[in-house]
Amino acid sequence: AQSVTQPDIHITVSEGASLELRCNYSYGATPYLFWYVQSPGQGLQLLLKYFSGDTLVQGIKGFEAEFKRSQSSFNLRKPSVHWSDAAEYFCAVGSTSGTYKYIFGTGTRLKVLA
Amino acid sequence: DTEVTQTPKHLVMGMTNKKSLKCEQHMGHRAMYWYKQKAKKPPELMFVYSYEKLSINESVPSRFSPECPNSSLLNLHLHALQPEDSALYLCASSQQYPGPYSDEQYFGPGTRLTVT
Repeated sequence: AQSVTQPDIHITVSEGASLELRCNYSYGATPYLFWYVQSPGQGLQLLLKYFSGDTLVQGIKGFEAEFKRSQSSFNLRKPSVHWSDAAEYFCAVGSTSGTYKYIFGTGTRLKVLA
Repeated sequence: DTEVTQTPKHLVMGMTNKKSLKCEQHMGHRAMYWYKQKAKKPPELMFVYSYEKLSINESVPSRFSPECPNSSLLNLHLHALQPEDSALYLCASSQQYPGPYSDEQYFGPGTRLTVT
């Protein structure tokens, strides 16, 4: 069955430090992969997506993610975190065949220390 | 214009009330979605419309009634809700028909619904 796991419920980093948020998926083939960010009380904003090709994808706000097929992972990274990055981050998996599925992970809440 | 708008931003309603949530997009997207999001949880898919036809209903109770009057508008009619229906209701749209292949979704800011 298709699933998405975000192992870290909360992550706290200092401003200026690097960040890595983990995402693991279970899918029969290579899925479509997405990272979204949600500020409190707001909708979700797409940070980046992977459909095919280069496994390192660049997104908005200085984020990047790397698709690793061997590890079934799509981790989100940022070299230097800003206080405004504090938010909830969701990884999502979309189906590439068969019945339509679009599944969100449980989210990782990022806190940034000044 | 890459914006999805939702009205109202906040809604408080009693269990006997009838109200509607509205969503609008002008990106020419042909798929539109309703999600329900409880606090500290990911969005849960409720309905998908494709080309103004209901494509997916994720076994949502009939007290929630979606409507897609045209390709830009999506409504969610609410009637006889329960307190546990209190949540953030998110609308989203995507360019591609949600068949075998999914696509990136653009989300609105949501309507915060409280049922008293």
